[in-house]
Amino acid sequence: KAGVTQTPRYLIKTRGQQVTLSCSPISGHRSVSWYQQTPGQGLQFLFEYFSETQRNKGNFPGRFSGRQFSNSRSEMNVSTLELGDSALYLCASSLGAGTMYGYTFGSGTRLTVV
Amino acid sequence: QKEVEQNSGPLSVPEGAIASLNCTYSDRGSQSFFWYRQYSGKSPELIMSIYSNGDKEDGRFTAQLNKASQYVSLLIRDSQPSDSATYLCAVYGSSNTGKLIFGQGTTLQVKP
Repeated sequence: KAGVTQTPRYLIKTRGQQVTLSCSPISGHRSVSWYQQTPGQGLQFLFEYFSETQRNKGNFPGRFSGRQFSNSRSEMNVSTLELGDSALYLCASSLGAGTMYGYTFGSGTRLTVV
Repeated sequence: QKEVEQNSGPLSVPEGAIASLNCTYSDRGSQSFFWYRQYSGKSPELIMSIYSNGDKEDGRFTAQLNKASQYVSLLIRDSQPSDSATYLCAVYGSSNTGKLIFGQGTTLQVKP
């Protein structure tokens, strides 16, 4: 069974540019969550999607957005990149939304903003 | 106050010893609790989940939950050098649209 697939693995962008990251969940998983991981802040919740609907959003500026498609694949977009956006972006999928489901993480996209 | 707090460590234990990792959380209505292990340069991996008060054992791992004290712990028996990693405590909030919140993680070093 294939795991959570994130593309690309690495990205280098310039300040002011925008970027789109992609996540394909485990087959049959309908919930996708996104996290930003940095050495100083740890894992910070960005958003959660279930059945194409955003269920929850973390405390990030509006430059961070996402969506989920009917096949459960998800994308997140960051516009007007800042140096502080450099981080590992992790996608996690789960069978459903709610308290009882553990998350499986993808390998992440390492974004560097220069 | 952070929503989920862990001692960042490092926690150093000799091979074969019991490693004890602790976590406290602020949302009294939280319902689900998880432990993830993250090796350096890798993504987090789910190792334990616990939903009710008491102990839950899985191999060398035991998760303990005390909702009254808002406290979760992970015990690793017979620690091995391969257990050296960062252990992340994660708590799912109380509302129906809650989110999974992670602690900063505790770095465990198991010395041969």
